Amino acid sequence: DTAVSQTPKYLVTQMGNDKSIKCEQNLGHDTMYWYKQDSKKFLKIMFSYNNKELIINETVPNRFSPKSPDKAHLNLHINSLELGDSAVYFCASSQGGTMNTEAFFGQGTRLTVV
Amino acid sequence: GQNIDQPTEMTATEGAIVQINCTYQTSGFNGLFWYQQHAGEAPTFLSYNVLDGLEEKGRFSSFLSRSKGYSYLLLKELQMKDSASYLCAQGGSSNTGKLIFGQGTTLQVKP
Repeated sequence: DTAVSQTPKYLVTQMGNDKSIKCEQNLGHDTMYWYKQDSKKFLKIMFSYNNKELIINETVPNRFSPKSPDKAHLNLHINSLELGDSAVYFCASSQGGTMNTEAFFGQGTRLTVV
Repeated sequence: GQNIDQPTEMTATEGAIVQINCTYQTSGFNGLFWYQQHAGEAPTFLSYNVLDGLEEKGRFSSFLSRSKGYSYLLLKELQMKDSASYLCAQGGSSNTGKLIFGQGTTLQVKP
């Protein structure tokens, strides 16, 4: 039983394309996140949703659009992909957006833009 | 911004003890986390400190000094499977659950 699952695990696509990454959590958590891990392994937050409401948007280009149809799902759509978007994208969830608690991460989506 | 500093790489011997240090900016402190990440895998939670002192969990312990903006992760009786990156992360000041990560310390355990 995977707690946080994201698909696909690998994604190779050409510059200019539009792609989506899906994430689902079965932990009953209220808060979900998208993090980006670059080639230097820095994990940086992109977005956070609490009960389907956007609460964090960390100066991410508007080509990136998160969507949360319900509190168990947080998808990430990327328009007009650029070479610099190549990275590993991690979805995560935690209980409650008003306190710092342990976050559970998905297995990551390795995006390669060619 | 919030800067988190930790060594980039460390090497240790199987069976030994290793200490991975982390310093962070004290303004807006909201807890200090340690995560383990094996190559190609997701980060997994190891520990959380919000008060000063040592938290022990089996072979792993984490220490926090809020006045010094300093934490360390102590790994005892090292095993080969402990070879991984260890990520120090600070809880975001707005209490949103956001984590601010350091660049991680890659630990290599040798026989």
